[in-house]
Amino acid sequence: EVQLVESGGGLVQPGRSLRLSCKASGFTFGDYPMSWVRQAPGKGLEWVGFIRSKSYGGTTEYAASVKGRFTISRDDSKNIAYLQMSTLKTEDTAVYYCTRHSDVGAIDYWGQGTLVTVSS
Amino acid sequence: DIQMAQSPSSLSASVGDRVTITCRASQNINNYLNWYQQIPGKAPKLLISVASSLQSGVPSRFSGSGSGTDFTLTISSLQPEDFATYYCQQTYSTFGGGTKVELK
Repeated sequence: EVQLVESGGGLVQPGRSLRLSCKASGFTFGDYPMSWVRQAPGKGLEWVGFIRSKSYGGTTEYAASVKGRFTISRDDSKNIAYLQMSTLKTEDTAVYYCTRHSDVGAIDYWGQGTLVTVSS
Repeated sequence: DIQMAQSPSSLSASVGDRVTITCRASQNINNYLNWYQQIPGKAPKLLISVASSLQSGVPSRFSGSGSGTDFTLTISSLQPEDFATYYCQQTYSTFGGGTKVELK
């Protein structure tokens, strides 16, 4: 059974940093691209960024709203994806979902989400 | 960046109604378009990938069509469990703003 379990969320002050982790199980983690998607309270889904599998260079792409502040990485030996968030803003407050992409690129599995609250 | 415009943002419908949601991309995205359903308090669920491919286990009343810039999600006969918010997404990128389907 595919499982994605996020951790690391919490309350953080504006301007500070936070790292989210996503522990994957039930599939060959290194073979799949992974994305982070967020959802602000009462709002829609926002794609944050994704990381390709090592077979495709392990490169990353980001939404304009987070580019330069957020970094996605992966440790295939531990089956973990990371989202390093820096210079956090109040508008980054959201539930952050770790997701897996299918072979045609759609998001076929989602974690349960972890809440990040940016507030002083 | 390519923008995804979904319409309507909300709609009211009755059980048994046919419902159509549209998604328009600001540039040609071929068929790289997916549809998701989200029930409040839950993670989204993939319904349709590559514009028209129904995911395993998704009821056949859901269908998707389109290519290029214009796409549609159709629910042929709305069921009580279909009242939810629906999102389109360009593959590996932007989501539409969502369409909330409510009970009339």
